[in-house]
Amino acid sequence: DIQMTQSPSSLSASVGDRVTITCRASQGISNYLAWYQQKPGKVPKLLIYVTSTLQSGVPSRFSGSGSGTDFTLTISSLQPEDVATYYCQKYDSAPRTFGQGTKVEIK
Amino acid sequence: EVQLLESGGGLVQPGGSLRLSCAASGFTFRSYAMSWVRQAPGKGLEWVSAISGSGDSIYYADSVKGRFTMSRDNSKNTLYLQMNSLRDEDTAIYHCAKDRADESQHLVIRGAFDIWGQGTMVTVSS
Repeated sequence: DIQMTQSPSSLSASVGDRVTITCRASQGISNYLAWYQQKPGKVPKLLIYVTSTLQSGVPSRFSGSGSGTDFTLTISSLQPEDVATYYCQKYDSAPRTFGQGTKVEIK
Repeated sequence: EVQLLESGGGLVQPGGSLRLSCAASGFTFRSYAMSWVRQAPGKGLEWVSAISGSGDSIYYADSVKGRFTMSRDNSKNTLYLQMNSLRDEDTAIYHCAKDRADESQHLVIRGAFDIWGQGTMVTVSS
């Protein structure tokens, strides 16, 4: 099975900073990659699908890129409401594996 | 409004069984693939199982294969997860999740999960 590895596991940044999270697949998954945001005590929220397409209602400061095995989620200007854990997920085939998560905090 | 509402969780002894349900509303249930995703306390997300809109195709994570059975009743707009031979490591919140588009769309468009239920807690402990 394809493994999904995120880095870093956690990060702390200041409001307004540019934040980048990386997700690496152990084999190529084309662009079948989604990103989710999970705030404490809440269910995950879909941010991005097809690697770079923003789900409706998601702020434009979020963006995604990549293809094949290497993908990134970028928050262009970190806001206090972005404190959350972020997960990547492959969905080209079963199992639809998630990355282990990246916890984002405000410095 | 699209909604998913899970039920059936609880405390069960190791080796026991539970059946989870997920009641769907607000969309054409039979046209959407659905999944179960679990989250152990303080841990990350783990995809458990998926089922096609018709129920003809079902997939499982290796960690539950042979112990869990996913099914659906499209006449009742309900998803199920029968969990047998439960282990301590199955303790988690179990969420049902909906593919973001119906099965007429290409997998790359529809395969991410746009709606999640609040989840039902399963605790396996003696």
